[in-house]
Amino acid sequence: AQSVTQLGSHVSVSEGALVLLRCNYSSSVPPYLFWYVQYPNQGLQLLLKYTTGATLVKGINGFEAEFKKSETSFHLTKPSAHMSDAAEYFCAVRKPGANNLFFGTGTRLTVIP
Amino acid sequence: DAGVIQSPRHEVTEMGQEVTLRCKPISGHDYLFWYRQTMMRGLELLIYFNNNVPIDDSGMPEDRFSAKMPNASFSTLKIQPSEPRDSAVYFCASSSGGDPQALGELFFGEGSRLTVL
Repeated sequence: AQSVTQLGSHVSVSEGALVLLRCNYSSSVPPYLFWYVQYPNQGLQLLLKYTTGATLVKGINGFEAEFKKSETSFHLTKPSAHMSDAAEYFCAVRKPGANNLFFGTGTRLTVIP
Repeated sequence: DAGVIQSPRHEVTEMGQEVTLRCKPISGHDYLFWYRQTMMRGLELLIYFNNNVPIDDSGMPEDRFSAKMPNASFSTLKIQPSEPRDSAVYFCASSSGGDPQALGELFFGEGSRLTVL
C-alpha cells in the first residue's frame, strides 16, 4: 500500500526565510513523487515532480525538492519565502504503472511580513 | 488552451435533493479523476476513468454517489439523495496517460463547492 505523510499541517515562516515542507512516503516500490500547490479558492497545480534520474528536482516559483530513497523523503524547499508563496501544499505519490495519485493531508504555509 | 472546466462553482442545496456536478476535461486527455476535499479527510479520490470507462470507483462513498462519462469531453458526478456530510469541494482533474513528458501530472479544475443544509 502507498501512503504519504506530511509533517506539520501548518507552517509559518518570515518573508525571506527558508521554506521547508516535509513529506515522507511509504511504498513497496520506488514511486513517482509530486508536490502540488493550492491557492485559495483554486484547484491544485503542479509545482514539481520526481520520476527517474536526478534526485534534486526544480520546480516553478523557485521551489525544489530532493528525493532521498534511504530516508523515504521528498521534502520541499525554497531558499527565500515570498508573500505570494502563502498557500496549501500537497505531497502526492504514484506507483509506477498506476494512474492515480495519493495525496497527503496538506501543509498550509503562512508567510509573515 | 482552456483548462478543466467545472460547474457549478458553488451549490447550496437541502438535504435529500439531487446534486449534479459537471466536468469538461482538457481536450485530448484520456484520464479523468473526481476528488473530494474536506477539512477532516483531505483529498480523496472518488473515481477515475480511462477513455470514458470507469477504472476504479473504490473511493465512491456509497450508493448515493454515481459518476458517468458519456463521452471524452464530459463527465458528471451525481449525489442522490444528498446529505449534510456530503458538503465538500469536489474537484475534477484530467491527464494524458500517453504523454511521457506529462507523466503523472494532473490538471485540476477550480472545484465545485457543495453545501448541503
